[in-house]
Amino acid sequence: GAGVSQSPSNKVTEKGKDVELRCDPISGHTALYWYRQSLGQGLEFLIYFQGNSAPDKSGLPSDRFSAERTGGSVSTLTIQRTQQEDSAVYLCASSLAGGGSNYEQYFGPGTRLTVT
Amino acid sequence: GENVEQHPSTLSVQEGDSAVIKCTYSDSASNYFPWYKQELGKRPQLIIDIRSNVGEKKDQRIAVTLNKTAKHFSLHITETQPEDSAVYFCAASYSGYSTLTFGKGTMLLVSP
Repeated sequence: GAGVSQSPSNKVTEKGKDVELRCDPISGHTALYWYRQSLGQGLEFLIYFQGNSAPDKSGLPSDRFSAERTGGSVSTLTIQRTQQEDSAVYLCASSLAGGGSNYEQYFGPGTRLTVT
Repeated sequence: GENVEQHPSTLSVQEGDSAVIKCTYSDSASNYFPWYKQELGKRPQLIIDIRSNVGEKKDQRIAVTLNKTAKHFSLHITETQPEDSAVYFCAASYSGYSTLTFGKGTMLLVSP
């Protein structure tokens, strides 16, 4: 079946503009994660959704970052008033269930964000 | 929270040699340790994982070992091939966490 998809694949924006990144998880996966990967860095956790529970937003770096997940499926990560340090690849992942411990996370291809 | 350290950051080997990547973690409650491989320009993919009730797990040319007392785990790749060239990430978690804590990655280069 289809894997995790993300759009757009690339986004170039001017500093100060808002951007929206979209993630379509694998059908039936209840858990959805957003990560940020900067050049030469690991995978930085941003936010986690599990079913109808309140999301874990503990990884969001500032209040300019927000995310929502509608209908338990598609998720949108929004970055307001983008800064140059926001430039990175934003990866989405989904898994059958949450907890992070026993279920493989399937990653999407990522959105490369460049803030000029 | 959990903190995962990964070494080395880069590793160059000749085809056919073995490669070892090591990770340490800080939270003794962690009980799940996956390894992801990310080829250039591609998404990370799970290659092997280990849970705290076992000390070693093997899958063909790759193996992972876990030492819970010392809080470290390692990835071993034998008979390396050029297609093993990629960035490898270790991670740690336990069922009470929301998600995985990743190491910063190791770039493995296998020369023919």
